Parts: sequence; C-alpha cells; structure tokens
Amino acid sequence: EAGVAQSPRYKIIEKRQSVAFWCNPISGHATLYWYQQILGQGPKLLIQFQNNGVVDDSQLPKDRFSAERLKGVDSTLKIQPAKLEDSAVYLCASSLSDEGAYEQYFGPGTRLTVT
Amino acid sequence: GNSVTQMEGPVTLSEEAFLTINCTYTATGYPSLFWYVQYPGEGLQLLLKATKADDKGSNKGFEATYRKETTSFHLEKGSVQVSDSAVYFCALSKGSQGNLIFGKGTKLSVKP
Repeated sequence: EAGVAQSPRYKIIEKRQSVAFWCNPISGHATLYWYQQILGQGPKLLIQFQNNGVVDDSQLPKDRFSAERLKGVDSTLKIQPAKLEDSAVYLCASSLSDEGAYEQYFGPGTRLTVT
Repeated sequence: GNSVTQMEGPVTLSEEAFLTINCTYTATGYPSLFWYVQYPGEGLQLLLKATKADDKGSNKGFEATYRKETTSFHLEKGSVQVSDSAVYFCALSKGSQGNLIFGKGTKLSVKP
C-alpha cells in the first residue's frame, strides 16, 4: 500500500513570496490533515478535511494560509505572503475516519525555509 | 484546553538500559492516547495507542498504560537498542474529531 506522498520535500523562499505544498493521501482515506511542525516542537494542526469539506481550520492563519482538497483526494496548502516565522516542516496525514481512535498516517513532510 | 506534556530531552542511554519517557495530559472527557516515533530521516509513525482507561498499548517491546487517575501515558521499554534512537511524541485525540494534539517530543539516543 502506497503511503502519503508530499512534494516538494524542501523549499527555500524569501519572505513575502508565495509557496504551495501538495499532498496525496492513502487511497480511500476520507480524512486529511495538515500540520505545522516548528523546530523543537510537536506538530500543530492547521486544517482538517473530511472528504472535500473543512472540519477544523481554527488554527489556520487565514490572512496568509489557504488550503483546498478538490474531489476529496489530493490537497494543496498555500502560503501567501510568507513570513520568517513560517519556517517549519509541513506534514500531511490521512486516516480512514475522523474518529479519534483511528491511526493517522503521515507523509515525509515539506521543509520550508523562509529567508 | 487539551494539552500534552512530556519530559524534556535529550535522553541518552546505553544499550540494554531501561527506558521511561513520561507523558501527562489535560483533556475533558476520555481522549485516545498515542505514542508516535520519528526515526532519523523518516516521517512520523504510530508506535502504540490506547483508547480507554487501563488499556495497555504495546509494540516492538514498548509499552504504555492509560492511567486516568494520574492522567498519564508513560512510555517504557525494558531493554533499548541502538535502533531505538529517535524522537518520541506523546499525543491525544478526542473522539469527536481525530486531530492530534502533540507534546514537544523527546529525543532518545542509545549508545552501544
């Protein structure tokens, strides 16, 4: 079974530029999550999708971050314009269901450096 | 609000030593509890989980017991190996929404 795919793996941009990340979840997984992991901290949820609808985006900085999940499969996360504090690893995860006990499967992440 | 606190690292042990990584949580209701592990150069992966009080999760020689009375989920292993060197994250999720709330992570280094 193929795992969660993310691209690119690394990205370096200057502040005020824009960037987009892509995620392809495990086939059949209805729930998709984007997490932000700042160096030295645990991942923090940015947004959660159930199929192609948003379940929770309460911690997404909506003035600069946006995300979509077209057709309930792939997802993109965009930052525009980027700030220095956005430097982090962006993790995508998927699970069969949004019930709390279900395992989440994580992709390798995209390491973003904003200079 | 919901939160997870785990012991600060890094933790350095010799091979075959006993490991304990402490984790306590704050949550309303009855969360599910998890330990995730991140090996060098790899993504996060589930190590073990427990979904109700007194449940014991176990995998690869690691164990953790869901203690509601002490709101704890400490990770233990009787004899660590060099290959266990990784960052370990304690996490919780609520039943109504699956998103995970993570602790800050504990880096474990095992020396031969």
